[in-house]
Amino acid sequence: EPEVTQTPSHQVTQMGQEVILRCVPISNHLYFYWYRQILGQKVEFLVSFYNNEISEKSEIFDDQFSVERPDGSNFTLKIRSTKLEDSAMYFCASRPSGSIYNEQFFGPGTRLTVL
Amino acid sequence: KQEVTQIPAALSVPEGENLVLNCSFTDSAIYNLQWFRQDPGKGLTSLLLIQSSQREQTSGRLNASLDKSSGRSTLYIAASQPGDSATYLCAVPNYGGATNKLIFGTGTLLAVQP
Repeated sequence: EPEVTQTPSHQVTQMGQEVILRCVPISNHLYFYWYRQILGQKVEFLVSFYNNEISEKSEIFDDQFSVERPDGSNFTLKIRSTKLEDSAMYFCASRPSGSIYNEQFFGPGTRLTVL
Repeated sequence: KQEVTQIPAALSVPEGENLVLNCSFTDSAIYNLQWFRQDPGKGLTSLLLIQSSQREQTSGRLNASLDKSSGRSTLYIAASQPGDSATYLCAVPNYGGATNKLIFGTGTLLAVQP
């Protein structure tokens, strides 16, 4: 069964460093998302991406964040200068095009630890 | 603004019990509602998606119900097993939004005691 994959599973970085989190969505899906979950808190939306551009972003998604679909399969989230408060689990999700009723499929997540 | 809450926050039951997890949402205009399972430190596994036009959806020992007008959904787990221990999350897409981002509830941490 097709699934969303994410790499790495765990990333440890120093404050101020750049990190890139990678996702491979399900191949025939056209809507892509990043969510994050700070330990002990709700899963919260960061950004959505469709037709090679950002379609919606949250207040959290400031200038330090960017997303890219560099080729036909990968979807990346870049944090330019990490802060301690960026430590969280980051989830990628995708869904098919067309019906608004389609469910979102999530990857296993990347745990980001900023020291 | 849609808000999703779940009660109880934590639940402990002996193995074999049937149990109900609750999810409430403030805006009844929803497309669907998704239930997820999250094991500690792990990703989100989709359990059930129930469309706004449906009242129930079943998968194995799981049954989700939806009452849009009252802003509630329940997840019924029959004959619970220790392997069901996890956090259960519900989520609804943002109605009328550009991309149907999901709005998640606070989760219910379930522990099934052997």
